[in-house]
Amino acid sequence: DAGITQSPRHKVTETGTPVTLRCHQTENHRYMYWYRQDPGHGLRLIHYSYGVKDTDKGEVSDGYSVSRSKTEDFLLTLESATSSQTSVYFCAISSQGTNSPLHFGNGTRLTVT
Amino acid sequence: GIQVEQSPPDLILQEGANSTLRCNFSDSVNNLQWFHQNPWGQLINLFYIPSGTKQNGRLSATTVATERYSLLYISSSQTTDSGVYFCAVKYGSGNTGKLIFGQGTTLQVKP
Repeated sequence: DAGITQSPRHKVTETGTPVTLRCHQTENHRYMYWYRQDPGHGLRLIHYSYGVKDTDKGEVSDGYSVSRSKTEDFLLTLESATSSQTSVYFCAISSQGTNSPLHFGNGTRLTVT
Repeated sequence: GIQVEQSPPDLILQEGANSTLRCNFSDSVNNLQWFHQNPWGQLINLFYIPSGTKQNGRLSATTVATERYSLLYISSSQTTDSGVYFCAVKYGSGNTGKLIFGQGTTLQVKP
């Protein structure tokens, strides 16, 4: 199994609070991704990183920011959580971006009340 | 944008049966991946298959990019094969092209 750890695994937070999710990898892969999974919408890309300090937006990036200060860590921040951001969040890694297999972490279930 | 359609949406099998899942896409793609999401929510990469055929145990996949489809074959199904199967296609050039996921096929294998 690819060495990907997401934390926390579960979180409940209140509307308006900031939340940070962490993804840590031990594979030294260059590319890291944040997806959200929702019923009826499947998996959608939020943000991705193609190197330290290099990030770009995905298809559902509004309300989210990311940071990557080290190869092994990719942080996703919800600046002011809303109920529409209740979801399961997956981190993924790959060695050569979309030209190589994508491997997922176990996910973080976030509930915004 | 590119459309990815998977069929059937739901499938129920008896243990030991074979099945074929299909992934159609609306435009030329550079590569395609198949994933299995087990009942506990874990997403596992099954195949990275831009074209041709690959096999891994009881599973095999074939992608015919020129005809815009891919097939995932499951032989002698087991209850542990239950879950949702997703295909994802690469849209865009270079290493930072996007992966577009289909809506999935939900498979239930009964003992």
